[in-house]
Amino acid sequence: QVQLQESGPGLVKPSQTLSLTCSVSGDSIKNSFYYWSWIRQPAGKGLEWIGRIFPRGNTNYNPSLKSRVTMSVDTSSNQFSLRLTSVTAADTALYYCARELGSRRYYFDSWGQGTPVTVSS
Amino acid sequence: QSVLTQPPSVSAAPGQKVTISCSGSSSNIGNNYLSWYQQLPGTAPKLLIYENDKRPSGIPDRFSGSKSGTSATLGITGLQTGDEADYYCATWDNSLNTWVFGEGTTLSVL
Repeated sequence: QVQLQESGPGLVKPSQTLSLTCSVSGDSIKNSFYYWSWIRQPAGKGLEWIGRIFPRGNTNYNPSLKSRVTMSVDTSSNQFSLRLTSVTAADTALYYCARELGSRRYYFDSWGQGTPVTVSS
Repeated sequence: QSVLTQPPSVSAAPGQKVTISCSGSSSNIGNNYLSWYQQLPGTAPKLLIYENDKRPSGIPDRFSGSKSGTSATLGITGLQTGDEADYYCATWDNSLNTWVFGEGTTLSVL
């Protein structure tokens, strides 16, 4: 059974870069059946998809965040990562990584537990 | 304002049935599979329904999904207090080129 675990700093200063990593166990991140996404949730609010990375490294990003987002994959460590630049208080949220079924099946079958990130000086 | 519209809240008594609607458009629900997620308080979302009406292993058949045109419905029968949670619908939007989520519906089992 696949497990995902987010990690990274819980506090980031405004204008700096948020960096998070998702460690995947129980499945290879190179598995072509799946894509790997980041999703966030501000406290008391709904879910917002940030972007996804495919096993070969190509990416899709939410247009509203595209200019600030970079995702990468490290197949040797079975991890994928998120970088979000120029953060503001509006980026304060619980950040989840999730596994998405490919081939236009459109669902997330596994989620990490989430890691909180606060943007504050 | 979310691309997918859900009621903010629904409620019903234990043992009763409730439905949660999710309304979208031809660029999302109308042309793609829809999924539903249950988020219990303080936990990560959990897949409840995929490909409009399929249940993952371990999800009881009290939960059901359906889709018609640009709308979808989640049904829950035999309500239990443990079903109190936020429920989200989600799919891909072909025009926006992004995943879209409903704003979420809070279920109260009174």
